Amino acid sequence: DAKTTQPNSMESNEEEPVHLPCNHSTISGTDYIHWYRQLPSQGPEYVIHGLTSNVNNRMASLAIAEDRKSSTLILHRATLRDAAVYYCILRRQGAQKLVFGQGTRLTINP
Amino acid sequence: KAGVTQTPRYLIKTRGQQVTLSCSPISGHRSVSWYQQTPGQGLQFLFEYFSETQRNKGNFPGRFSGRQFSNSRSEMNVSTLELGDSALYLCASSFSLAIYEQYFGPGTRLTVT
Repeated sequence: DAKTTQPNSMESNEEEPVHLPCNHSTISGTDYIHWYRQLPSQGPEYVIHGLTSNVNNRMASLAIAEDRKSSTLILHRATLRDAAVYYCILRRQGAQKLVFGQGTRLTINP
Repeated sequence: KAGVTQTPRYLIKTRGQQVTLSCSPISGHRSVSWYQQTPGQGLQFLFEYFSETQRNKGNFPGRFSGRQFSNSRSEMNVSTLELGDSALYLCASSFSLAIYEQYFGPGTRLTVT
């Protein structure tokens, strides 16, 4: 399983953008980049995924480097409800298995 | 649309006993995966089922087993419980193998004493 590397923790202020980095230098051509988050006392929640191109949805944006060895999850205007552990995961095409790392614990200050 | 449900939500068992946990996926979802979450090891993959077939298994001892029924509901069983099996057990479902979003349930908190 290809591995991802994320900072252990990050802190930001409410209503400011947040950029969460992820390194995945051993990514293969069939690996999709997924982001999930886990709020306190809840199961993980899907955020976004992408393969090569940048992606946007109602929750966030995903910026993928041209060589695909890194990516950045962008929360455009953080709210207190965005405080969670964010996981960057490489998922092989056709496989359901998610390999979670330690993730980044995001703290949002009011 | 109801989410993924897991029963029971909390469970206390004694070492040596066995336990069965249940997961009901979102209606129409055919794929179910199970994960174990502990403070020390984080989230670890246990099994993956699609249309009643186990497609993938994580690196856990044979005491951990699972199955999926024709209505896509899934159960996992842990026999001869050990203290280290205390964890949050999470179930996730998705519509098919080609759909990329997995929806997680709230988990079953198992405590082994």
